[in-house]
Amino acid sequence: QQPVQSPQAVILREGEDAVINCSSSKALYSVHWYRQKHGEAPVFLMILLKGGEQKGHEKISASFNEKKQQSSLYLTASQLSYSGTYFCGTEYAGNMLTFGGGTRLMVKP
Amino acid sequence: NAGVMQNPRHLVRRRGQEARLRCSPMKGHSHVYWYRQLPEEGLKFMVYLQKENIIDESGMPKERFSAEFPKEGPSILRIQQVVRGDSAAYFCASSPASGRYEQFFGPGTRLTVL
Repeated sequence: QQPVQSPQAVILREGEDAVINCSSSKALYSVHWYRQKHGEAPVFLMILLKGGEQKGHEKISASFNEKKQQSSLYLTASQLSYSGTYFCGTEYAGNMLTFGGGTRLMVKP
Repeated sequence: NAGVMQNPRHLVRRRGQEARLRCSPMKGHSHVYWYRQLPEEGLKFMVYLQKENIIDESGMPKERFSAEFPKEGPSILRIQQVVRGDSAAYFCASSPASGRYEQFFGPGTRLTVL
């Protein structure tokens, strides 16, 4: 089952904050976050593991609520370079990721 | 340390022809994943391979599509008798081991079927 991302799209002014959510109907082993710019490959941002371990970039923060099977990505003091489509990928078992439909973020000056 | 490499970056085929997409994982990575992305849509898992083994192909269409990751050389995604609906971006990703490791994506191959 594909995880559900919300919102589907968001427009920000530089310096504003945003939260992107990812919800699953099944228990999760891990959640992976990626950002993709138009015509480019997805770029790894963060992985959140069951049990609380996180790996990712210092400037990105995220949470993983195992009980609610949800993850949220927090973008603070947004910059123009944050624009792109954000995907969460959920791991249920094994190593395959199931990606959500994406959240399109546009940061305007 | 070179990243994941894919070639060709763009591939044009006529209906009925074969398409071969290649993926060389990052150095030290033995796990390869293939994804398909239609315009303005998300990434759809196709197949997960380790060297010489297909671990999970649950996302692969039953006909015309096949994948391999030989002991030597790149992973190959092969599409036989392409149709217009196969037009998409095909990304491969690699990871160093099983378990909960991040996947690093290649630049993708954009397949256009005329």
